[in-house]
Amino acid sequence: SAVISQKPSRDICQRGTSLTIQCQVDSQVTMMFWYRQQPGQSLTLIATANQGSEATYESGFVIDKFPISRPNLTFSTLTVSNMSPEDSSIYLCSAYRGNEQFFGPGTRLTVL
Amino acid sequence: KQEVTQIPAALSVPEGENLVLNCSFTDSAIYNLQWFRQDPGKGLTSLLLIQSSQREQTSGRLNASLDKSSGRSTLYIAASQPGDSATYLCAARPGAAGNKLTFGGGTRVLVKP
Repeated sequence: SAVISQKPSRDICQRGTSLTIQCQVDSQVTMMFWYRQQPGQSLTLIATANQGSEATYESGFVIDKFPISRPNLTFSTLTVSNMSPEDSSIYLCSAYRGNEQFFGPGTRLTVL
Repeated sequence: KQEVTQIPAALSVPEGENLVLNCSFTDSAIYNLQWFRQDPGKGLTSLLLIQSSQREQTSGRLNASLDKSSGRSTLYIAASQPGDSATYLCAARPGAAGNKLTFGGGTRVLVKP
């Protein structure tokens, strides 16, 4: 299995500001993912983050709004930029290892 | 494009009853299928992983079956307990390992004491 931690666990932010979410995996993984889960909804993939290359974004998500870093094989960050109330969601980091996918505890973001 | 559906969206049962959660997918060319549990406001916990070559997987009170030909997977939870109350999500991985998961909408389960 993989143990994934995220910081912060929750935050309340003002409109127009940015928040960076950190994700740490307990051992090296090739593929990491960032998901968004809006209230009452299932998970939506934002992007795939591979070490040494730019993140691959899904339709509807752009790098200017959700810049991602992947400096090494155990760490990644997701920034939510110029936030609006519509960005209020749970953001989940995920890693793929041994045919199985694992998730962090999530970051609950509220934008006022 | 793969679509994953979970019906019903919500389920309420008395404690001790067996739970049957359904997951259907439109493209049978999957690599594997995973079942997750999510508690309110929390992340996902992986429950069971079934490879495309397998028919079922078991872990404790949990048993998951897979029928690729009919595009269905079923999660059985025996002798349900109030602690089983959560949302259960299934997710299908397409034919090549490492590609992105497609999630179902989830089934919210309430086990009443």
